[in-house]
Amino acid sequence: GQSLEQPSEVTAVEGAIVQINCTYQTSGFYGLSWYQQHDGGAPTFLSYNGLDGLEETGRFSSFLSRSDSYGYLLLQELQMKDSASYFCAVRGSGANNLFFGTGTRLTVIP
Amino acid sequence: SQTIHQWPATLVQPVGSPLSLECTVEGTSNPNLYWYRQAAGRGLQLLFYSVGIGQISSEVPQNLSASRPQDRQFILSSKKLLLSDSGFYLCAWSVVQGTYEQYFGPGTRLTVT
Repeated sequence: GQSLEQPSEVTAVEGAIVQINCTYQTSGFYGLSWYQQHDGGAPTFLSYNGLDGLEETGRFSSFLSRSDSYGYLLLQELQMKDSASYFCAVRGSGANNLFFGTGTRLTVIP
Repeated sequence: SQTIHQWPATLVQPVGSPLSLECTVEGTSNPNLYWYRQAAGRGLQLLFYSVGIGQISSEVPQNLSASRPQDRQFILSSKKLLLSDSGFYLCAWSVVQGTYEQYFGPGTRLTVT
């Protein structure tokens, strides 16, 4: 089976940097995905790491260490609109589905 | 460009009533399709996924069922709703070889009373 651990809540100041960690246990690893979901909205895809290292997309970066079964999402130059829930996800029990973590609620304060 | 539609946006149904939620995708062929449920403040629970017409895989035993009558249409149904069926229902799609990147519809907020 799969299990994912993320902090439930994180608070950070506007303009700062925040890191959201995700540790995973899965039989057969095919990469780590990150999604953002604003309150009342649908999740949107942010990034995917299939190999070790850092992937950068604008203010967002995602990191993966397969040897440590660990990844993180890094948000820089935080803006108020970054307040949302962030989910990490790994491939699920089948080859065609994802297993999502319980999410980290990020609150950005002025 | 690809678009995913879900309806209705909100629904209030009594316990024991039937349910039918519809999802359609435009702008792509032969997508993988998914139904998720999200309880308030919780994560995403995969209910069903489909890799083709008539092919449905169930992840969680429950009183819900899914069907894919057409390539880009995915339907979630129930014959008799339970209180525990309340939640935010999300449909999503992905390309066949890219299940790590899924695109979600706007969702249906279901309240069973």
